[in-house]
Amino acid sequence: RKEVEQDPGPFNVPEGATVAFNCTYSNSASQSFFWYRQDCRKEPKLLMSVYSSGNEDGRFTAQLNRASQYISLLIRDSKLSDSATYLCVVNMIKAAGNKLTFGGGTRVLVKP
Amino acid sequence: NAGVTQTPKFQVLKTGQSMTLQCAQDMNHEYMSWYRQDPGMGLRLIHYSVGAGITDQGEVPNGYNVSRSTTEDFPLRLLSAAPSQTSVYFCASSDSGPFFNQPQHFGDGTRLSIL
Repeated sequence: RKEVEQDPGPFNVPEGATVAFNCTYSNSASQSFFWYRQDCRKEPKLLMSVYSSGNEDGRFTAQLNRASQYISLLIRDSKLSDSATYLCVVNMIKAAGNKLTFGGGTRVLVKP
Repeated sequence: NAGVTQTPKFQVLKTGQSMTLQCAQDMNHEYMSWYRQDPGMGLRLIHYSVGAGITDQGEVPNGYNVSRSTTEDFPLRLLSAAPSQTSVYFCASSDSGPFFNQPQHFGDGTRLSIL
């Protein structure tokens, strides 16, 4: 089992619709969580950090469920420009030291 | 705002050749790292550094060397290129602080093909 797992998609989303997807992680001692956005053949860019209480940034809402060990990202009123791959990143605490682990990404395609 | 700068952007090598991928950041970040990204596997950590003079291995260090003589620069050396090293390489930096708790700032990548 991968330490950080994401549904690779693609999620085909009509413009204006809402899409949500999860990321599960295996290490219950994980300390911090992030969502990054990666456009095709580009570098990952931080979308938002994920806080225990959940957080919102415009049309994007991130939530953390420690009991079930997953984080989620919800995009409201999807725009064509939201088409990208969304990477889940987890800072895991391990005996050998912290480890930043990336999920394989969830691809989102917003269509007119 | 330069941020994290990687060179070259593209490179083709023959098996057995060596080369150095350059990475420089102008944000005075203590932490720098190298990742490779392969289809379906996400980003995997190759080597990282928590400050000048300090480096350590990541998840997939074999076949790569790094050094950190200055805060700004963190070059990645391929010792003897192999086709399995064909990948997209990203350099990243972040502020110091609780280890790995800070967001990563990525360079725009080096696309490397080994023939």
